[in-house]
Parts: sequence; structure tokens; C-alpha cells
Amino acid sequence: GESVGLHLPTLSVQEGDNSIINCAYSNSASDYFIWYKQESGKGPQFIIDIRSNMDKRQGQRVTVLLNKTVKHLSLQIAATQPGDSAVYFCAETLGEGGATNKLIFGTGTLLAVQP
Amino acid sequence: KAGVTQTPRYLIKTRGQQVTLSCSPISGHRSVSWYQQTPGQGLQFLFEYFSETQRNKGNFPGRFSGRQFSNSRSEMNVSTLELGDSALYLCASSLAPYNSPLHFGNGTRLTVT
Repeated sequence: GESVGLHLPTLSVQEGDNSIINCAYSNSASDYFIWYKQESGKGPQFIIDIRSNMDKRQGQRVTVLLNKTVKHLSLQIAATQPGDSAVYFCAETLGEGGATNKLIFGTGTLLAVQP
Repeated sequence: KAGVTQTPRYLIKTRGQQVTLSCSPISGHRSVSWYQQTPGQGLQFLFEYFSETQRNKGNFPGRFSGRQFSNSRSEMNVSTLELGDSALYLCASSLAPYNSPLHFGNGTRLTVT
């Protein structure tokens, strides 16, 4: 039968505002987390990562927060720009004793920046 | 430094045919992974290779196979194509074999008719 397309949650923000994209991850044993940005026609682009022994990490205009208690990850983008418009994915690795880079991806959030 | 290169960029195949996709990782990266992306299922893990050894395989039928060469290049093959195999196939490479960010190519868009 036909496959049903994923209904991507959408976050619409005004240019210059801060954006917060949330993600609930699935496995309490996951020990490494990554945020990716995917623009139309391109592959996912690495934004920032965080290990499970941290709860916050900052990059250029981006901050990732990790709450292991509730298995929640968030990406904050400061001073959002039109070029930030894209689909954002969180991804986790299951650790498996440190033997893999296998990623489990979330369904993604569409960030739409209004000029 | 050049990014991950995938060829071809687009492919159109007929049901029952087979296809081979190619991936050149970032120079110095020895870990290569493949993912399938579809609107219905999102991004799903296919394989992971390090130093020519398959370390992990996703939940895909045996029609999907892959390999990695001594120069870290990788290929994946899909035999007996089905309509449902239409997807964007993404290759990614990483510097280390674990807890290391994957850097993705722009993918091969496969359409099966």
C-alpha cells in the first residue's frame, strides 16, 4: 500500500528571534547525541554533539541541552536567520559498549524563519 | 578538505533490476555508514563499516548488501529492486569508529519504476 509521509512538526519563528527545537530520545542507555540540519536536496549537516556525561554544550549561535532524567534533548539557535530554515534532526547512538557509530534518528522538525 | 562524495546523484531503475551505489569518504575517515531516507520511514540505518569489516547491519532484507574497500571507499548494492526501494540513500563517514560525528554526503536519489 501507499506509505504515509511523516508529518513533520513545524516551528515558525521571526528572523532575529531565538529558536528552541525539542527532541525526546528513546533509549536511556544512549551515550552520544548529535543534532543535524538538512536543507532541501542535501544530506544532513552536522551541527553539534554532546556526550551523556554533559548536560550542556555551546557552539557558534547554538546550544544543546541534555536532560537524561526525562530523556530530552533540545537545540537552541540564537538570533535565527533565514539561512537556518531547514529540517532539524536529533540522533542518538546506543553505545553498545562504545563499539558503534550507528545512529537512531528522530522524525525531524521543520524550522521556518519568517523575514 | 573534500566532503563525502556519492555517485551517481540520481538513478532510475526498473523493478527487478539491481543497482550499485558508490561512496568516497572524507580523506582520513575509515568508518563509513549508509542510511536510507524516505518520507514514510525517515532516516533508517543500513550498514556500518570500519576497516573493511561490517560492524553493524540494520533491519533490511538480504537484497541490501555493502562492502568497504582498503582505501575506505564503500559501495552498497540492492538486488531485485522493488518499488518500495525508491529513496534517498545517504553515505556518511567518521574519523573514529564510535561516538564520532557522522558527516553525510548529499545522497543518491534512487527511483524504481
